[in-house]
Amino acid sequence: DAGVIQSPRHEVTEMGQEVTLRCKPISGHDYLFWYRQTMMRGLELLIYFNNNVPIDDSGMPEDRFSAKMPNASFSTLKIQPSEPRDSAVYFCASTPGDHQYFGPGTRLLVL
Amino acid sequence: GENVEQHPSTLSVQEGDSAVIKCTYSDSASNYFPWYKQELGKRPQLIIDIRSNVGEKKDQRIAVTLNKTAKHFSLHITETQPEDSAVYFCAASRGRQLTFGSGTQLTVLP
Repeated sequence: DAGVIQSPRHEVTEMGQEVTLRCKPISGHDYLFWYRQTMMRGLELLIYFNNNVPIDDSGMPEDRFSAKMPNASFSTLKIQPSEPRDSAVYFCASTPGDHQYFGPGTRLLVL
Repeated sequence: GENVEQHPSTLSVQEGDSAVIKCTYSDSASNYFPWYKQELGKRPQLIIDIRSNVGEKKDQRIAVTLNKTAKHFSLHITETQPEDSAVYFCAASRGRQLTFGSGTQLTVLP
């Protein structure tokens, strides 16, 4: 298996633009997590899904953030409109049990 | 919710010495405690984990200890090597949701 796949790996956008981050979990993993990592706040859980259903989105910072998982092999995290304080590395992770496997991350810079 | 505190935030050791990183957690129902290593610009990767029914676990130069009564767990790295230099995160969970500590930047000096 190729592991968790994320795209794009880098994204530079201007404030106010819509940003869509994509994730393909490892096949057979029924849990998918979205994290945000910054120097100030560390690794924060934004939302997670079980069998494509959102279980806990209490970490989503604002209504500007939304996440979907239309099927078992694809998830998106959307920010609309983006702001400079959204600049961070966004990780997707998946697991069939306890061990979470992280993707390579998307480095987002909002100017 | 769960709160995980990790210390120290930075740790420098001489090559060959041991390194110890400590974490405390708040939720007594937490039952799974993984440790992740993150090299600069890379993804976090699991290096060792322990469950609440075990007090200690070893894997070559890495060991983790858990004290459920005191609600703390520690990572021990022996015979440190330059490639051990990275940020280490502890985490705690019950169920599938991990709460991470703030990380420890470990530097192994040659």
